[in-house]
Amino acid sequence: GENVEQHPSTLSVQEGDSAVIKCTYSDSASNYFPWYKQELGKGPQLIIDIRSNVGEKKDQRIAVTLNKTAKHFSLHITETQPEDSAVYFCAASTTSGTYKYIFGTGTRLKVLA
Amino acid sequence: GAVVSQHPSWVICKSGTSVKIECRSLDFQATTMFWYRQFPKQSLMLMATSNEGSKATYEQGVEKDKFLINHASLTLSTLTVTSAHPEDSSFYICSARPGLFHGYTFGSGTRLTVV
Repeated sequence: GENVEQHPSTLSVQEGDSAVIKCTYSDSASNYFPWYKQELGKGPQLIIDIRSNVGEKKDQRIAVTLNKTAKHFSLHITETQPEDSAVYFCAASTTSGTYKYIFGTGTRLKVLA
Repeated sequence: GAVVSQHPSWVICKSGTSVKIECRSLDFQATTMFWYRQFPKQSLMLMATSNEGSKATYEQGVEKDKFLINHASLTLSTLTVTSAHPEDSSFYICSARPGLFHGYTFGSGTRLTVV
């Protein structure tokens, strides 16, 4: 069935360094790829998304890249700050039908001050 | 921006009782809402798709008689955990989409503890 793999499961970086999280999806019909940040005890918050007609998207310190051929997409956070520490989830979806998300397994990011 | 309000944020109930969780889209209408369950340090598992004015669609393995979903209006979906047991203790989260070209907005979640 449809599947999204996410790596790494945990990531520790020094403050100011960059962090990269990678996801691979299986459903070739997927055309929408959001990234969510979840802090402890809270619901996930959308931080950036990308559609299949775009290869890269950037929003200040956050960027997402998409390789449709390889079916993988990545989240890049530059100049990391302690407040970036959280769990990050990628997801894949189609913009037709029920628009269900298939979530990755999550990455726990720790930014060390 | 689009806001999804979820209540209560936490609830403790006794085994055998029922608990209702509300999910409201505050500034937009949602014909579809999703209900997720999340165990500690795990990903979000889709439980069901809530459809306004019709029956919910449940994912494989989710008991529809145990997790009752009602989506009576375009801004409100409710999840009722019936005859709750300790194994139902979890973090329940709803989501809704503000528009055709928007990502889903999630509620703040409800921590259910069954004792």
